[in-house]
Amino acid sequence: DTGVSQNPRHKITKRGQNVTFRCDPISEHNRLYWYRQTLGQGPEFLTYFQNEAQLEKSRLLSDRFSAERPKGSFSTLEIQRTEQGDSAMYLCASSPRAGFTDTQYFGPGTRLTVL
Amino acid sequence: GQQVMQIPQYQHVQEGEDFTTYCNSSTTLSNIQWYKQRPGGHPVFLIQLVKSGEVKKQKRLTFQFGEAKKNSSLHITATQTTDVGTYFCVSSNFGNEKLTFGTGTRLTIIP
Repeated sequence: DTGVSQNPRHKITKRGQNVTFRCDPISEHNRLYWYRQTLGQGPEFLTYFQNEAQLEKSRLLSDRFSAERPKGSFSTLEIQRTEQGDSAMYLCASSPRAGFTDTQYFGPGTRLTVL
Repeated sequence: GQQVMQIPQYQHVQEGEDFTTYCNSSTTLSNIQWYKQRPGGHPVFLIQLVKSGEVKKQKRLTFQFGEAKKNSSLHITATQTTDVGTYFCVSSNFGNEKLTFGTGTRLTIIP
């Protein structure tokens, strides 16, 4: 498999529960991005990593959200105390090079539904 | 990246007709990218434009970047059912490459 993979593909949870999503980027891609997409809207940037360093976080990323990329390979996005407004598609993307605008390859996304 | 606006928001065309979507920014863009997202799918990169006045073609798709680097367009000739989806113009800043997606144009094809 040479593409970006995300797990799970779907997650239904009750309000107040914690959820964690995983993203496996394309091998040797050193940049990894998280985006959120709600119905009818374009993806919105959340955060990105260069290797294991988290370089930027959007104001959309409240303190209930945390992302990690501990070994510079896969990444996790955790949402604590989920709210109904967190329901969205969470997309992960990776790109191969730093310091150069390059194609971002998106994964299939994790669709979160908070009841 | 800077916020970009797209028009139209929706477009319904008969199969075989042409289609154009426009993207505008109030500020100068360092580059513009175009992505396509099929219904239920994820965004897929189409092209990147960097130079003022640049024109690039991919088969039936023609992409333009304005002379002032504040606008861009995507034109599809003789649409096919496989062209269905939402087309996003996307800005980014050299250095961090985080993408700022435009509002998107959703294209539907009437067979």
